[in-house]
Amino acid sequence: SAVISQKPSRDICQRGTSLTIQCQVDSQVTMMFWYRQQPGQSLTLIATANQGSEATYESGFVIDKFPISRPNLTFSTLTVSNMSPEDSSIYLCSVVRDSTDGYTFGSGTRLTVV
Amino acid sequence: KQEVTQIPAALSVPEGENLVLNCSFTDSAIYNLQWFRQDPGKGLTSLLLIQSSQREQTSGRLNASLDKSSGRSTLYIAASQPGDSATYLCAVYNQGGKLIFGQGTELSVKP
Repeated sequence: SAVISQKPSRDICQRGTSLTIQCQVDSQVTMMFWYRQQPGQSLTLIATANQGSEATYESGFVIDKFPISRPNLTFSTLTVSNMSPEDSSIYLCSVVRDSTDGYTFGSGTRLTVV
Repeated sequence: KQEVTQIPAALSVPEGENLVLNCSFTDSAIYNLQWFRQDPGKGLTSLLLIQSSQREQTSGRLNASLDKSSGRSTLYIAASQPGDSATYLCAVYNQGGKLIFGQGTELSVKP
């Protein structure tokens, strides 16, 4: 399975500021995914990060709030912009190499907005 | 629209018991099903992947089964240990690749 390094592991941020989360994969992957897990909830897909093109966002998520970069096949960033307390969640990146490998997740970023 | 349901939402058992976690999905046209473990505030660890052509997978004390026709999967944990305490998540995906998660089962194994 792929190995993902996700940073930071946690942060406490002031409302109105932005935080950028990074994910580095140990091998090249076509698609990377960003998820949000609100307190007590399951995971919700934010967007699919595509190399060489704009990210594909799910319903309810917009690029201005969650800009994503994918400069190459091993790296992606998610920015949470103009944060409010409602953005307090765990954010996770994920990749899948092929159908026999399954999905691999990063260790998560626990964000608290005060 | 695919929906995934996990029952029970929470489970508390004494150490040493065998237990079964249930997962059901509404659209049987899935590609794969994957079981994950999540410790509090952490990321997800993959436990077992069952491809649509398979009926079960085993890893150590864990066994996962898949019945696509009835839209069900079970995760069997043998001889549970306190270290098994975590939230267990079931997720399915179709050939488009998007994971759809259940709400999870929070397991507590008491010493």
